[in-house]
Amino acid sequence: DADVTQTPRNRITKTGKRIMLECSQTKGHDRMYWYRQDPGLGLQLIYYSFDVKDINKGEISDGYSVSRQAQAKFSLSLESAIPNQTALYFCATSDASLGTDTQYFGPGTRLTVL
Amino acid sequence: GQQVMQIPQYQHVQEGEDFTTYCNSSTTLSNIQWYKQRPGGHPVFLIQLVKSGEVKKQKRLTFQFGEAKKNSSLHITATQTTDVGTYFCAGDNQGGKLIFGQGTELSVKP
Repeated sequence: DADVTQTPRNRITKTGKRIMLECSQTKGHDRMYWYRQDPGLGLQLIYYSFDVKDINKGEISDGYSVSRQAQAKFSLSLESAIPNQTALYFCATSDASLGTDTQYFGPGTRLTVL
Repeated sequence: GQQVMQIPQYQHVQEGEDFTTYCNSSTTLSNIQWYKQRPGGHPVFLIQLVKSGEVKKQKRLTFQFGEAKKNSSLHITATQTTDVGTYFCAGDNQGGKLIFGQGTELSVKP
């Protein structure tokens, strides 16, 4: 969905480096999410935010942190990247006012940690 | 915690054959959603089921929600090469977040 953008789209980094993945949305949605996708494991929730002042841990938050800088921006940081954080990362948004958590995904960031 | 299990993990079919993927939750769901991810793409919302026993159709796709609101299925009749991708179910227990199944990767041989 072009209304949800992620940068960078691809990133190769080395073990121990700090890296930030960014997500922006123009949908006006209040809720934002970060997922990682690994083959055979589906989508695992890392962190989610229901509004600018709300941050919640997901299933696999260890080794990650997030910042909700504005309603439209939600960034994911890896403070010290490790190889098993190599994965495809998706940002998603949803609109709580619709009474459903239907999610709209960004195009994804493919991260490789060497 | 809540878990959503999806089977099979992979399905290879000949074009024209039918395909079904099944989803089971460890807890009762308020609704279930289905997404499709094309190869190299991102998940895209297909449909939401809310009512117990609900059945919805989208052309050749039929979605069902179980009577106990703990299981669901997606059936594709007469698959086409355009159906290729990974299909995910996602359960919503009104906690404000979805729990995704592992996905079923469908490949279609022409």
